[in-house]
Amino acid sequence: SQQGEEDPQALSIQEGENATMNCSYKTSINNLQWYRQNSGRGLVHLILIRSNEREKHSGRLRVTLDTSKKSSSLLITASRAADTASYFCARWTGANNLFFGTGTRLTVIP
Amino acid sequence: GAGVSQSPRYKVAKRGQDVALRCDPISGHVSLFWYQQALGQGPEFLTYFQNEAQLDKSGLPSDRFFAERPEGSVSTLKIQRTQQEDSAVYLCASSLPREPSDTQYFGPGTRLTVL
Repeated sequence: SQQGEEDPQALSIQEGENATMNCSYKTSINNLQWYRQNSGRGLVHLILIRSNEREKHSGRLRVTLDTSKKSSSLLITASRAADTASYFCARWTGANNLFFGTGTRLTVIP
Repeated sequence: GAGVSQSPRYKVAKRGQDVALRCDPISGHVSLFWYQQALGQGPEFLTYFQNEAQLDKSGLPSDRFFAERPEGSVSTLKIQRTQQEDSAVYLCASSLPREPSDTQYFGPGTRLTVL
């Protein structure tokens, strides 16, 4: 069973707008990672934030982590049609694997 | 360099058949993971190898599922007597030495359909 939820489940925006996706979880974490998955493809790692970090940036991506609320958010600024994909947060809890959420399906309309 | 590769990309099996799915991790990656992804869901952990040692198989759904990595590189996930509920995409991932908690590099997956 999966240990978290992304919110919203689906998001549709116009090109150039910002997209924000949220991830909530239940257990403590060592780190939290965000992945992108294009239709029919494998997952691509986007960014990793450790439990002692609060914010990280990578290009047009900004990730925040609030361990007190057990939540994280992924912001994609100035979205492009190529950003259309499913986005998953994944938590490393100290066990031997990542726990993935259910994903947010992002559609960027040109 | 080459990423993680998986074969076949698509597999159709009749219920009751055995299947074998192959994963070629990135050269030098010590850690290897198998995940199962049902339609519309996130990946779920199946099993984890460090070199040839299978350190965690807690996610394997039944004893019909078996994974091996005999030489610490290529891995095979075998499913015996396939059932319709085994239909899913099977993803393989590898990660850098001694950093299994760090970035995982995923292959394109094998889509298994059991009729």
